[in-house]
Amino acid sequence: AQSVTQLDSQVPVFEEAPVELRCNYSSSVSVYLFWYVQYPNQGLQLLLKYLSGSTLVESINGFEAEFNKSQTSFHLRKPSVHISDTAEYFCAVSEASGNTPLVFGKGTRLSVIA
Amino acid sequence: NAGVTQTPKFQVLKTGQSMTLQCAQDMNHNSMYWYRQDPGMGLRLIYYSASEGTTDKGEVPNGYNVSRLNKREFSLRLESAAPSQTSVYFCASSEGGGSYNEQFFGPGTRLTVL
Repeated sequence: AQSVTQLDSQVPVFEEAPVELRCNYSSSVSVYLFWYVQYPNQGLQLLLKYLSGSTLVESINGFEAEFNKSQTSFHLRKPSVHISDTAEYFCAVSEASGNTPLVFGKGTRLSVIA
Repeated sequence: NAGVTQTPKFQVLKTGQSMTLQCAQDMNHNSMYWYRQDPGMGLRLIYYSASEGTTDKGEVPNGYNVSRLNKREFSLRLESAAPSQTSVYFCASSEGGGSYNEQFFGPGTRLTVL
């Protein structure tokens, strides 16, 4: 079975500063990895995903995440955050070879301060 | 396209009452899911339906039942509500049951059980 650990429950950061949200996973098989974002009072939406190929994946709004198999990590980064990035971010994992549902981490609340 | 819709948006129940949460998607997706979200716990899967006519238990199925009414609709029933079921409930759908598929989420139902 897979599991996900998001190491920080809350991350406050000043506007235009860089940010890293950490995610580690545990699995005995190959995995797919995802980051979802939840804006206040909304459902989750996919931010980016790693399935295969290049270990660095990017989103349309400037976030990127790097799959590191040796460290079993999939940290999310952005070089300069905006107020509008304030949200909760969830890392999720699933088995690459199976038909199994996603397993979500507990989430990291990113608060961008003006 | 409305995407994934959920009704109601808010509900207050007394202990022991029953209710059904409704979910519908208009994306012709095969798979549908019910999650609950609690502070500090992330999203936990209650039940899912990989395809029309099938349902499977997730991580926290106790106290819930589901019905995949047709390809579009997937309902969640609480037969005898308990305060521990106070939560925000999200429905999601994906094109297939494959673990690489993006899940699309509804806006959520905020349920309070007194």
